[in-house]
Amino acid sequence: KQEVTQIPAALSVPEGENLVLNCSFTDSAIYNLQWFRQDPGKGLTSLLLIQSSQREQTSGRLNASLDKSSGRSTLYIAASQPGDSATYLCAVRALTSGTYKYIFGTGTRLKVLA
Amino acid sequence: DAGVTQSPTHLIKTRGQQVTLRCSPKSGHDTVSWYQQALGQGPQFIFQYYEEEERQRGNFPDRFSGHQYPNYSSELNVNALLLGDSALYLCASSVKPGTRANYGYTFGSGTRLTVV
Repeated sequence: KQEVTQIPAALSVPEGENLVLNCSFTDSAIYNLQWFRQDPGKGLTSLLLIQSSQREQTSGRLNASLDKSSGRSTLYIAASQPGDSATYLCAVRALTSGTYKYIFGTGTRLKVLA
Repeated sequence: DAGVTQSPTHLIKTRGQQVTLRCSPKSGHDTVSWYQQALGQGPQFIFQYYEEEERQRGNFPDRFSGHQYPNYSSELNVNALLLGDSALYLCASSVKPGTRANYGYTFGSGTRLTVV
């Protein structure tokens, strides 16, 4: 059974710091991994999608890496800003009982202090 | 290009009542998945629809049911509401598995259901 874990559960950093969020999954047979951002009470906004054949994806100040063999992904945020404060969720898409679906971690709540 | 649209945005219901939540997928998507997100938790998979049929179900009781229409829009119905059903219900659209399985999900903004 695929399980996704995110560490740390919460993180508070001063503005300008570079930071790393971690995501681990138990079954390496995934099709892709997606990082999402969620503001309080809101839906999910896709940040980065990494295909199983890729090692990393970049968008602006965000960089996500994927190591399937070790079951790990990291989201790197450069020069953090107060506007980055949100919950960050990772999800792996895997074939489970004949259907593709995303399995989510519980998220990392990030607070960037001005 | 419209994204995923969910309605209503907020809803308050009484225990024992029934509720229907609606979702319109992103243009070009034909598959809808529903998730329940309790406060402080990650989204939990409820079920997925494509070709107007439920394709897989998560660990949710039969009180949770759904439907998909020919235009790919979908409904989530919950009967006999319990206090524990209070959550954010998220709809995600994608393309049908087996076509472009490696494409990601697009999520709607969710429906906040409060059961009192």
